[in-house]
Amino acid sequence: QVQLVESGGGVVQPGRSLRLSCAASGFIFNTYGMNWVRQAPGKGLEWVAVISYDGNNKYYADSVKGRFTISRDNSQNTLYLQMNSLRAGDTAVYYCAREDLVVAPAATMYFDYWGQGTLVTVST
Amino acid sequence: IQLTQSPSFLSASVGDRVTITCRASQALSSFLAWYQQKPGKAPKLLIYGASTLQSGVPSRFSGSGSGTEFTLTISSLQPEDFATYYCQQLKNYPYTFGQGTKLEIK
Repeated sequence: QVQLVESGGGVVQPGRSLRLSCAASGFIFNTYGMNWVRQAPGKGLEWVAVISYDGNNKYYADSVKGRFTISRDNSQNTLYLQMNSLRAGDTAVYYCAREDLVVAPAATMYFDYWGQGTLVTVST
Repeated sequence: IQLTQSPSFLSASVGDRVTITCRASQALSSFLAWYQQKPGKAPKLLIYGASTLQSGVPSRFSGSGSGTEFTLTISSLQPEDFATYYCQQLKNYPYTFGQGTKLEIK
């Protein structure tokens, strides 16, 4: 069965860095795009970043562009999020999510599997 | 692309039929998905392609719409349906979510 397990969250001071990991199993990891989505306490969902199946294409939310880097190691079936220059506003539960694509009858994408999330708290 | 859900809060009873609307600032074609989230849990995919029911999701859930206006309908509310619902557009980067609709028990 498909499993996504995030790790690496914790409490970090403003301006410091943190790296999140998402270990994938139960599917052919190197054939799927992967995303990070976050949710601040009591707030809605915010998409953070996406990486293509081969790691060659990456896109970011404006709120994290230049500070966060998404990457993947297909040999280890693991997705990463390197978070630098962290701010209080980055405090959230971070989820990794698998992106699937269908082409018929009409092309569309969706996030069909999500991890359980890892909490990042940026605070002094 | 901005997504605006309405209402933001909805109070309903078991057995009710409810509809949640998601309006987009640009046409989305079929690049619209709906998720359900319960407290402390990850979101769960309900509908993709605006109207395709994800495998394993009860048939009381349905989605419709095209262009810039989409709806999620629950035909007969069950106790386990009380949760927060989000729409998401995957037409363009950055992907965006609606602000959410919290469905509460009346």
